[in-house]
Amino acid sequence: DVKVTQSSRYLVKRTGEKVFLECVQDMDHENMFWYRQDPGLGLRLIYFSYDVKMKEKGDIPEGYSVSREKKERFSLILESASTNQTSMYLCASSLWSGRAYNEQFFGPGTRLTVL
Amino acid sequence: AQTVTQSQPEMSVQEAETVTLSCTYDTSESDYYLFWYKQPPSRQMILVIRQEAYKQQNATENRFSVNFQKAAKSFSLKISDSQLGDAAMYFCAYRSENYGGATNKLIFGTGTLLAVQP
Repeated sequence: DVKVTQSSRYLVKRTGEKVFLECVQDMDHENMFWYRQDPGLGLRLIYFSYDVKMKEKGDIPEGYSVSREKKERFSLILESASTNQTSMYLCASSLWSGRAYNEQFFGPGTRLTVL
Repeated sequence: AQTVTQSQPEMSVQEAETVTLSCTYDTSESDYYLFWYKQPPSRQMILVIRQEAYKQQNATENRFSVNFQKAAKSFSLKISDSQLGDAAMYFCAYRSENYGGATNKLIFGTGTLLAVQP
Protein backbone atom coordinates (compact mmCIF):
# COMPACT_ATOMS: atom_id res chain seq x y z
CA ASP A 1 0.00 0.00 0.00
CA VAL A 2 1.11 3.49 -0.80
CA LYS A 3 1.70 5.49 2.30
CA VAL A 4 1.77 9.25 2.47
CA THR A 5 2.47 10.66 5.90
CA GLN A 6 2.42 14.20 7.20
CA SER A 7 4.45 15.32 10.17
CA SER A 8 1.58 16.66 12.28
CA ARG A 9 -2.19 16.21 12.37
CA TYR A 10 -2.71 19.43 14.30
CA LEU A 11 -0.47 22.47 14.57
CA VAL A 12 -0.94 25.81 16.32
CA LYS A 13 1.41 28.67 15.46
CA ARG A 14 1.63 32.40 16.10
CA THR A 15 1.41 35.11 13.46
CA GLY A 16 4.82 35.80 11.98
CA GLU A 17 6.31 32.41 12.82
CA LYS A 18 8.05 30.35 10.16
CA VAL A 19 6.16 27.09 9.74
CA PHE A 20 7.31 23.85 8.15
CA LEU A 21 4.88 21.16 7.06
CA GLU A 22 6.52 17.90 6.10
CA CYS A 23 5.26 15.17 3.81
CA VAL A 24 6.85 11.80 3.16
CA GLN A 25 5.82 9.10 0.69
CA ASP A 26 7.22 5.59 0.56
CA MET A 27 6.42 4.50 -3.01
CA ASP A 28 9.11 6.24 -5.03
CA HIS A 29 6.62 8.61 -6.63
CA GLU A 30 7.97 11.37 -8.82
CA ASN A 31 5.09 13.80 -8.31
CA MET A 32 4.21 15.39 -5.02
CA PHE A 33 1.58 18.02 -4.31
CA TRP A 34 0.49 20.41 -1.60
CA TYR A 35 -3.18 21.38 -1.43
CA ARG A 36 -5.07 23.65 0.87
CA GLN A 37 -8.62 22.64 1.84
CA ASP A 38 -11.14 25.23 3.01
CA PRO A 39 -14.90 24.86 3.54
CA GLY A 40 -16.83 25.94 0.49
CA LEU A 41 -13.68 26.19 -1.61
CA GLY A 42 -12.68 22.56 -1.99
CA LEU A 43 -9.01 21.75 -2.50
CA ARG A 44 -6.71 24.24 -4.15
CA LEU A 45 -3.21 23.45 -5.36
CA ILE A 46 -0.44 25.46 -3.71
CA TYR A 47 2.67 23.89 -5.27
CA PHE A 48 3.66 20.73 -6.98
CA SER A 49 6.97 19.00 -7.66
CA TYR A 50 7.72 16.50 -10.43
CA ASP A 51 11.29 15.71 -9.42
CA VAL A 52 13.91 16.45 -6.79
CA LYS A 53 14.59 20.18 -6.64
CA MET A 54 11.91 20.82 -9.28
CA LYS A 55 8.75 22.71 -8.42
CA GLU A 56 5.88 24.51 -10.06
CA LYS A 57 3.45 27.02 -8.66
CA GLY A 58 -0.13 25.99 -8.33
CA ASP A 59 -3.16 28.22 -8.09
CA ILE A 60 -2.44 29.88 -4.73
CA PRO A 61 1.35 29.99 -4.12
CA GLU A 62 1.45 33.42 -2.47
CA GLY A 63 2.82 33.27 1.06
CA TYR A 64 4.18 29.75 0.60
CA SER A 65 7.37 28.13 -0.59
CA VAL A 66 8.40 24.49 -0.96
CA SER A 67 11.47 22.35 -0.79
CA ARG A 68 12.19 18.95 -2.27
CA GLU A 69 15.74 17.82 -1.51
CA LYS A 70 14.94 14.11 -1.55
CA LYS A 71 12.49 12.24 -3.73
CA GLU A 72 10.39 10.97 -0.85
CA ARG A 73 10.03 14.25 1.03
CA PHE A 74 8.20 17.45 0.10
CA SER A 75 8.06 20.34 2.52
CA LEU A 76 5.69 23.27 2.56
CA ILE A 77 7.03 26.42 4.18
CA LEU A 78 5.10 29.39 5.46
CA GLU A 79 7.78 32.06 5.70
CA SER A 80 5.73 34.31 7.99
CA ALA A 81 2.48 32.72 9.03
CA SER A 82 -0.66 34.81 8.90
CA THR A 83 -4.15 34.17 10.24
CA ASN A 84 -5.53 33.74 6.72
CA GLN A 85 -3.31 30.69 6.36
CA THR A 86 -5.34 28.86 8.98
CA SER A 87 -6.53 25.84 7.05
CA MET A 88 -6.26 22.11 6.42
CA TYR A 89 -3.19 21.22 4.34
CA LEU A 90 -3.12 18.01 2.33
CA CYS A 91 -0.13 16.41 0.71
CA ALA A 92 -0.44 13.96 -2.19
CA SER A 93 1.87 11.94 -4.41
CA SER A 94 1.64 10.09 -7.70
CA LEU A 95 3.78 8.36 -10.29
CA TRP A 96 4.86 10.31 -13.32
CA SER A 97 3.89 8.88 -16.70
CA GLY A 98 3.28 11.75 -19.04
CA ARG A 99 -0.19 11.69 -20.53
CA ALA A 100 -1.34 8.60 -18.72
CA TYR A 101 -3.29 8.95 -15.55
CA ASN A 102 -1.79 7.97 -12.25
CA GLU A 103 -3.81 8.10 -9.08
CA GLN A 104 -2.91 10.70 -6.51
CA PHE A 105 -2.56 9.29 -3.00
CA PHE A 106 -3.26 11.63 -0.14
CA GLY A 107 -1.86 12.06 3.33
CA PRO A 108 -4.07 12.47 6.41
CA GLY A 109 -3.78 16.26 6.42
CA THR A 110 -2.42 18.84 8.83
CA ARG A 111 -4.89 21.22 10.41
CA LEU A 112 -2.96 24.43 10.96
CA THR A 113 -4.24 27.20 13.18
CA VAL A 114 -2.43 30.54 13.14
CA LEU A 115 -3.23 32.77 16.12
CA ALA B 1 -9.47 27.47 -17.42
CA GLN B 2 -11.29 24.40 -16.27
CA THR B 3 -13.80 24.55 -13.44
CA VAL B 4 -15.70 21.94 -11.45
CA THR B 5 -19.02 22.67 -9.78
CA GLN B 6 -20.79 20.67 -7.10
CA SER B 7 -24.11 22.36 -6.42
CA GLN B 8 -25.15 20.21 -3.45
CA PRO B 9 -23.21 21.20 -0.32
CA GLU B 10 -24.99 18.54 1.74
CA MET B 11 -27.01 15.42 1.02
CA SER B 12 -28.65 12.81 3.18
CA VAL B 13 -29.65 9.23 2.44
CA GLN B 14 -31.20 6.41 4.40
CA GLU B 15 -29.15 3.29 4.89
CA ALA B 16 -29.69 0.78 2.04
CA GLU B 17 -31.14 3.48 -0.23
CA THR B 18 -29.60 5.00 -3.35
CA VAL B 19 -28.25 8.52 -3.63
CA THR B 20 -26.87 10.53 -6.53
CA LEU B 21 -24.32 13.31 -6.14
CA SER B 22 -24.10 15.87 -8.92
CA CYS B 23 -21.07 17.37 -10.60
CA THR B 24 -20.71 19.59 -13.64
CA TYR B 25 -17.52 20.85 -15.19
CA ASP B 26 -16.39 23.26 -17.81
CA THR B 27 -13.55 22.64 -20.24
CA SER B 28 -12.60 23.23 -23.83
CA GLU B 29 -10.50 20.08 -23.92
CA SER B 30 -11.68 16.85 -25.48
CA ASP B 31 -9.44 14.47 -23.55
CA TYR B 32 -9.45 14.44 -19.78
CA TYR B 33 -10.14 12.40 -16.69
CA LEU B 34 -12.86 12.79 -14.10
CA PHE B 35 -12.80 11.45 -10.57
CA TRP B 36 -14.79 11.11 -7.42
CA TYR B 37 -12.80 11.20 -4.19
CA LYS B 38 -14.14 10.35 -0.74
CA GLN B 39 -12.90 12.01 2.46
CA PRO B 40 -14.29 10.29 5.57
CA PRO B 41 -14.32 12.28 8.81
CA SER B 42 -10.74 12.61 10.11
CA ARG B 43 -9.47 10.12 7.57
CA GLN B 44 -7.46 10.23 4.37
CA MET B 45 -8.96 11.09 1.03
CA ILE B 46 -9.29 8.07 -1.22
CA LEU B 47 -10.21 7.60 -4.85
CA VAL B 48 -13.67 6.14 -5.36
CA ILE B 49 -13.98 5.99 -9.13
CA ARG B 50 -12.51 7.48 -12.29
CA GLN B 51 -13.70 8.00 -15.84
CA GLU B 52 -11.70 8.60 -18.98
CA ALA B 53 -13.44 11.08 -21.24
CA TYR B 54 -12.81 9.02 -24.38
CA LYS B 55 -14.73 6.07 -22.93
CA GLN B 56 -18.44 6.11 -23.56
CA GLN B 57 -19.14 3.39 -21.03
CA ASN B 58 -19.85 4.62 -17.54
CA ALA B 59 -17.39 3.48 -14.88
CA THR B 60 -18.56 1.20 -12.09
CA GLU B 61 -16.87 0.09 -8.87
CA ASN B 62 -19.04 -2.21 -6.79
CA ARG B 63 -21.84 -0.05 -5.33
CA PHE B 64 -20.49 3.11 -6.94
CA SER B 65 -21.26 4.09 -10.51
CA VAL B 66 -21.16 7.25 -12.55
CA ASN B 67 -23.38 8.83 -15.15
CA PHE B 68 -20.99 10.56 -17.53
CA GLN B 69 -22.63 12.89 -20.03
CA LYS B 70 -19.80 14.40 -22.06
CA ALA B 71 -21.89 16.76 -24.17
CA ALA B 72 -23.64 18.10 -21.10
CA LYS B 73 -20.35 18.15 -19.12
CA SER B 74 -22.01 16.30 -16.31
CA PHE B 75 -20.50 13.60 -14.08
CA SER B 76 -22.76 12.34 -11.31
CA LEU B 77 -21.97 9.65 -8.74
CA LYS B 78 -24.56 7.08 -7.76
CA ILE B 79 -24.15 5.16 -4.53
CA SER B 80 -26.39 2.12 -4.29
CA ASP B 81 -27.30 0.26 -1.09
CA SER B 82 -25.85 3.08 1.02
CA GLN B 83 -23.93 2.07 4.13
CA LEU B 84 -23.02 3.98 7.27
CA GLY B 85 -19.39 3.89 6.14
CA ASP B 86 -20.30 5.89 3.04
CA ALA B 87 -20.80 9.00 5.18
CA ALA B 88 -18.09 11.39 4.04
CA MET B 89 -17.26 14.47 2.03
CA TYR B 90 -17.25 13.63 -1.66
CA PHE B 91 -15.20 15.64 -4.13
CA CYS B 92 -15.53 15.64 -7.87
CA ALA B 93 -12.25 16.35 -9.67
CA TYR B 94 -10.97 16.97 -13.20
CA ARG B 95 -7.57 16.37 -14.73
CA SER B 96 -6.37 17.31 -18.17
CA GLU B 97 -4.83 14.60 -20.33
CA ASN B 98 -2.36 17.08 -21.76
CA TYR B 99 1.26 16.27 -21.10
CA GLY B 100 3.48 17.94 -18.61
CA GLY B 101 3.78 20.41 -15.78
CA ALA B 102 0.89 21.60 -13.74
CA THR B 103 -1.58 20.04 -16.15
CA ASN B 104 -1.09 16.99 -14.00
CA LYS B 105 -2.92 18.77 -11.25
CA LEU B 106 -6.40 17.89 -10.12
CA ILE B 107 -9.08 20.58 -10.16
CA PHE B 108 -11.57 19.96 -7.39
CA GLY B 109 -15.15 20.93 -6.80
CA THR B 110 -16.25 22.33 -3.45
CA GLY B 111 -17.49 19.00 -2.15
CA THR B 112 -20.76 17.40 -1.06
CA LEU B 113 -21.12 16.25 2.53
CA LEU B 114 -23.09 13.00 2.56
CA ALA B 115 -24.86 11.86 5.71
CA VAL B 116 -26.19 8.32 5.97
CA GLN B 117 -29.14 7.85 8.31
CA PRO B 118 -29.56 4.47 10.02
